[in-house]
Amino acid sequence: AQKITQTQPGMFVQEKEAVTLDCTYDTSDQSYGLFWYKQPSSGEMIFLIYQGSYDEQNATEGRYSLNFQKARKSANLVISASQLGDSAMYFCAMREDYKAAGNKLTFGGGTRVLVKP
Amino acid sequence: GAVVSQHPSRVICKSGTSVKIECRSLDFQATTMFWYRQFPKQSLMLMATSNEGSKATYEQGVEKDKFLINHASLTLSTLTVTSAHPEDSSFYICSARDTLYTDTQYFGPGTRLTVL
Repeated sequence: AQKITQTQPGMFVQEKEAVTLDCTYDTSDQSYGLFWYKQPSSGEMIFLIYQGSYDEQNATEGRYSLNFQKARKSANLVISASQLGDSAMYFCAMREDYKAAGNKLTFGGGTRVLVKP
Repeated sequence: GAVVSQHPSRVICKSGTSVKIECRSLDFQATTMFWYRQFPKQSLMLMATSNEGSKATYEQGVEKDKFLINHASLTLSTLTVTSAHPEDSSFYICSARDTLYTDTQYFGPGTRLTVL
């Protein structure tokens, strides 16, 4: 079974509008971390935001916020005020109990975002 | 901070040769580094976990004799693709775990390997 699911293979968003990228996960661990990375066409993976399973508040980093719904096992990324430079591939990732998993990240399939001027 | 470099960024080699890719954490120490492989329009696939001073841990299905990993210091891990074949052509990305401050994985810029 997929541990990280990103159901939107691609989406368009108008410049200056907000966009929500879906991510659902599957784990039986109590302690885990959720990450979002951006991968532009250059290929580098850019860390955007992190949410710990015990964090009570949703994580925010500038224009990025993570809508963490633990009971639903979802960790959607919200990008506000989209910019042309936001056009990229976005990956959701999960780190399960690091003692067992060795801090490995499991990645979703990614969502390609194209911002239209 | 939290910069990870990879070298080379691109490499083209002949079938049967070996290629070494370096991954360095520039401003933090990383006891653990990870090597990923990414095919076009696909997600990242973890190949192995590189542990400083000990043997790497390979994921199921990854040939350890083909993909040699050495993590000789707290800032350097190397991946050597031995006897490369065209099917080894891919984008290889490393990441380094910052255990001291953020416990986050930071990624290198990747290496595009083309085997002719």
